[in-house]
Amino acid sequence: GDSVTQMEGPVTLSEEAFLTINCTYTATGYPSLFWYVQYPGEGLQLLLKATKADDKGSNKGFEATYRKETTSFHLEKGSVQVSDSAVYFCALTRVDGSNYKLTFGKGTLLTVNP
Amino acid sequence: NAGVTQTPKFQVLKTGQSMTLQCAQDMNHNSMYWYRQDPGMGLRLIYYSASEGTTDKGEVPNGYNVSRLNKREFSLRLESAAPSQTSVYFCATRRKPDTGELFFGEGSRLTVL
Repeated sequence: GDSVTQMEGPVTLSEEAFLTINCTYTATGYPSLFWYVQYPGEGLQLLLKATKADDKGSNKGFEATYRKETTSFHLEKGSVQVSDSAVYFCALTRVDGSNYKLTFGKGTLLTVNP
Repeated sequence: NAGVTQTPKFQVLKTGQSMTLQCAQDMNHNSMYWYRQDPGMGLRLIYYSASEGTTDKGEVPNGYNVSRLNKREFSLRLESAAPSQTSVYFCATRRKPDTGELFFGEGSRLTVL
């Protein structure tokens, strides 16, 4: 079955540091890939997505590129802020009507210190 | 602009008690989901409803039942709560045409003593 593996946290960075959170996946066919973010006390919200190989999703300074050859979708940000402190989830699904379930990684807690 | 609304936000139960978590959405989305979130486990799917009138089991359905009352509402029932069901529960929706994106409620924190 489908699975998502992301780097375990917690990750602690200083403000303005470079961020990478690794995500790899196992899936048949051509899934769409997502990064969700969960701020303290809130539900998850979509951060960015990519629907096909070599697509780059971007939002709020975060980027991730869909790499089919390495089955990866690593999240990066060039300069993190304290407000980026949150839990980040990598996820995949198909949007062809064949699978209504989203498969999530276990989440990576990011803490950014001033 | 409510989106996905869950009630209650907090609940404490004793072992063996029953309760229902309510979820309502005003986005006219077809699919609805119940997840639980536990430390170190990420999100695990309990049940989902691909469309009104249908429900299916997810990864961890034991001890839970669901009802898709209509297009707007999807409830999760614990018939006899156990301490292992202490968790944060999230309801989510997914629209059609499908973009794959899920829209989440703010969560319901349940403690079973």
